[in-house]
Amino acid sequence: EVQLVESGGGLVQPGGSLRLSCAASGFTFSSYSMSWVRQAPGKGLEWVSYISGTSSTIYYADSVKGRFTISRDNAKNSLYLQMNSLRDEDTAVYYCARNAGGLDFDYWGQGTLVTVSS
Amino acid sequence: QSALTQPRSVSGSPGQSVTISCTGTSSDVGAYNYVSWYQQHPGKAPKLMIYDVSKRPSGVPDRFSGSKSGNTASLTISGLQAEDEADYYCCSYAGSYTWVFGGGTRVTVL
Repeated sequence: EVQLVESGGGLVQPGGSLRLSCAASGFTFSSYSMSWVRQAPGKGLEWVSYISGTSSTIYYADSVKGRFTISRDNAKNSLYLQMNSLRDEDTAVYYCARNAGGLDFDYWGQGTLVTVSS
Repeated sequence: QSALTQPRSVSGSPGQSVTISCTGTSSDVGAYNYVSWYQQHPGKAPKLMIYDVSKRPSGVPDRFSGSKSGNTASLTISGLQAEDEADYYCCSYAGSYTWVFGGGTRVTVL
């Protein structure tokens, strides 16, 4: 059974940093690209970042470019999102999602809440 | 990277059909046959319902169907059931490993 479990969320002040983790199990992690998708309270979904299975290809949404860094450790079956210079508008539930063979997201974690507030 | 346009809400009685539209541009929906749809119940993670415009993952009822014409994609739920009440999001690949989502549509079963 495919499982994705996020952790690392919490309350952080504007300008602060936070590192999210996503532990994967039930599939060959290194064979799949992964993404982070976020959802602000009461709002819709927003794609944040993508990383290929070998980490050779990485992309970011314009809203986080230069502030967030996606990475993965295939030996640990883990995905990460380093978030720096956090802003109020980064407050959201952050989901890790597996990119399927096509260009969609076939499995999602339960999400971790990041709150940016003073 | 502007969000795709979806109606805020649609509703129908049990057994009826509802259709949710998702309008993008020639750079996303119109450019690729990589439109997907996600169902999200309150407090839960999104669930993939349709991928590649009209394909259903294993386990998704055939009451759910997808289509696309030009820059607009659609999700149709036939034979509406109480458990279909949820938020639905469309998503389109937008090139260079980037994606854009719609604002979401609340489906209410009357």
